[in-house]
Amino acid sequence: EAGVTQSPTHLIKTRGQQATLRCSPISGHTSVYWYQQALGLGLQFLLWYDEGEERNRGNFPPRFSGRQFPNYSSELNVNALELEDSALYLCASRGRGYSNQPQHFGDGTRLSIL
Amino acid sequence: GIQVEQSPPDLILQEGANSTLRCNFSDSVNNLQWFHQNPWGQLINLFYIPSGTKQNGRLSATTVATERYSLLYISSSQTTDSGVYFCADTRDYKLSFGAGTTVTVRA
Repeated sequence: EAGVTQSPTHLIKTRGQQATLRCSPISGHTSVYWYQQALGLGLQFLLWYDEGEERNRGNFPPRFSGRQFPNYSSELNVNALELEDSALYLCASRGRGYSNQPQHFGDGTRLSIL
Repeated sequence: GIQVEQSPPDLILQEGANSTLRCNFSDSVNNLQWFHQNPWGQLINLFYIPSGTKQNGRLSATTVATERYSLLYISSSQTTDSGVYFCADTRDYKLSFGAGTTVTVRA
């Protein structure tokens, strides 16, 4: 069974540009989570999508947005990039429904802002 | 939100040594997970352990939900065990992570 896949592995952008990160969940998983791991700030929750809807978002500005497609894959968009957006972005998926289940992570996208 | 405290922050081990990592929570434990982040940034699931004890090879974990803590045991450590170990619990369907324990295993 394929795990959570993320693309691209690395992304280099300049300030003010837009970045798009992609995530494909484990087959059968309907929930997708995005987390940011910036240097010195730990792992912070960004967004949660389930069944195509945004269910919750962390304490991040509106220029962080995303969506979930009918096949449950997800996209994270970051507009007007700032230097502090440089981080490892991790996507996780979880099984169907709201029952308590573990989250499984992809290998991440490392975003560098020049 | 829930506060997650991990100790120790750093751990240096000689290959073959045993160690214990701890997570304390400010509230009752729901769905605790332990992860290992390797030097390449990959976050690998070690245990999903809301309560009780589980073992997987040289690693084992114990969660005492009523006392709001969990322990991760590493036995006979190897250099490949190096990295950052995180515990996290679920609140409002999202994971809240501790700051991690950085483990360095020396040959």
